[in-house]
Amino acid sequence: AQSVTQLGSHVSVSEGALVLLRCNYSSSVPPYLFWYVQYPNQGLQLLLKYTTGATLVKGINGFEAEFKKSETSFHLTKPSAHMSDAAEYFCAVSATGATNKLIFGTGTLLAVQP
Amino acid sequence: GAVVSQHPSWVICKSGTSVKIECRSLDFQATTMFWYRQFPKQSLMLMATSNEGSKATYEQGVEKDKFLINHASLTLSTLTVTSAHPEDSSFYICSAKIPGGQFFGPGTRLTVL
Repeated sequence: AQSVTQLGSHVSVSEGALVLLRCNYSSSVPPYLFWYVQYPNQGLQLLLKYTTGATLVKGINGFEAEFKKSETSFHLTKPSAHMSDAAEYFCAVSATGATNKLIFGTGTLLAVQP
Repeated sequence: GAVVSQHPSWVICKSGTSVKIECRSLDFQATTMFWYRQFPKQSLMLMATSNEGSKATYEQGVEKDKFLINHASLTLSTLTVTSAHPEDSSFYICSAKIPGGQFFGPGTRLTVL
């Protein structure tokens, strides 16, 4: 079985500051890991994903995440926050296999202060 | 890139009525689609997996007779909330399976009065 824990339901940063959103996962099989962003009243947009290969994954809008198997983590970072980054961010895990069933974390609401 | 649409984007209905939500993959074929619901300020919860040409697979605790899913073609899956009640008010999101992941629709806001 898989599960995802996102530490911090709310994170607030200043514009230009580092963004760090934490995600830890549990999986009995090699996982696929995802970060999605959701703007108010909209669906989810994929930021980045890890399947296999390079553990540092670069995504859209300057975000990146590093898969650390020893720490069972997949934290999302961005060097410099922009006002437009304010949104809800979800980490998700799926077991490698045919269904791609996604298990989502509870989400982290990112606020960016001017 | 792949686009998934949902219709309607929002709907208000009276208690006891049924509501149909459509999920379409616009520029690709999706043999598998997923239906999620999201309560305010909460995460997405998978309701069911919809497979083209076969019965949907429902997650534990989801009433299949309440949430009817039909995946009649490779580009369309529908979710019908039957005899809707206020507790069914939620944000319903579909996604289409692609190699290595899923593309999500924009969601449908259902409000049951």
